Amino acid sequence: DAGITQSPRHKVTETGTPVTLRCHQTENHRYMYWYRQDPGHGLRLIHYSYGVKDTDKGEVSDGYSVSRSKTEDFLLTLESATSSQTSVYFCAISESSGGGADTQYFGPGTRLTVL
Amino acid sequence: KNQVEQSPQSLIILEGKNCTLQCNYTVSPFSNLRWYKQDTGRGPVSLTIMTFSENTKSNGRYTATLDADTKQSSLHITASQLSDSASYICVVSRGTYKYIFGTGTRLKVLA
Repeated sequence: DAGITQSPRHKVTETGTPVTLRCHQTENHRYMYWYRQDPGHGLRLIHYSYGVKDTDKGEVSDGYSVSRSKTEDFLLTLESATSSQTSVYFCAISESSGGGADTQYFGPGTRLTVL
Repeated sequence: KNQVEQSPQSLIILEGKNCTLQCNYTVSPFSNLRWYKQDTGRGPVSLTIMTFSENTKSNGRYTATLDADTKQSSLHITASQLSDSASYICVVSRGTYKYIFGTGTRLKVLA
């Protein structure tokens, strides 16, 4: 998985609790992304980062926040988890921002269940 | 509306046979088109990336084609193997940070 780890790999939590997912890369890529994958949907972008402390919203950002204090780490936080946030979350990295023909590398995913 | 549609949703073939997966898109502007393979429980892995000017690209037994005029792409798998069982996802990039993902074709290869 191209030097990308995600933690935890599985988590079960209760509605209303805060949850933080971590993505760690060893590739020194500038761009990092958080996606969610749900049945019947393609992967959907939650947030992305284009550098340390530089982040922006994706198409499904409501209820999520992110932080990037180091090049290698990108954190996704659910401030108050809801059942609709039950999903598989993928982190991805890339050297450029998508306009060029660069490869986007994905982590192994985190399966989150909100009861 | 920017969309990527893949067909079929699922496919079962016998080991050694060939198959072709389809991707139609209505994405604008177009930057590039990617095919990914996603094994169950794993993250997607890139197979091919094609820009506007490329109409075919191969990666081993995988060959992707792109017709930018009709906005169609296909992924052809030759001499399938059991390890080809996976979901195949078509992704179109609109440019910076803007990736539109299809829902994938689930392929099962039987011995």
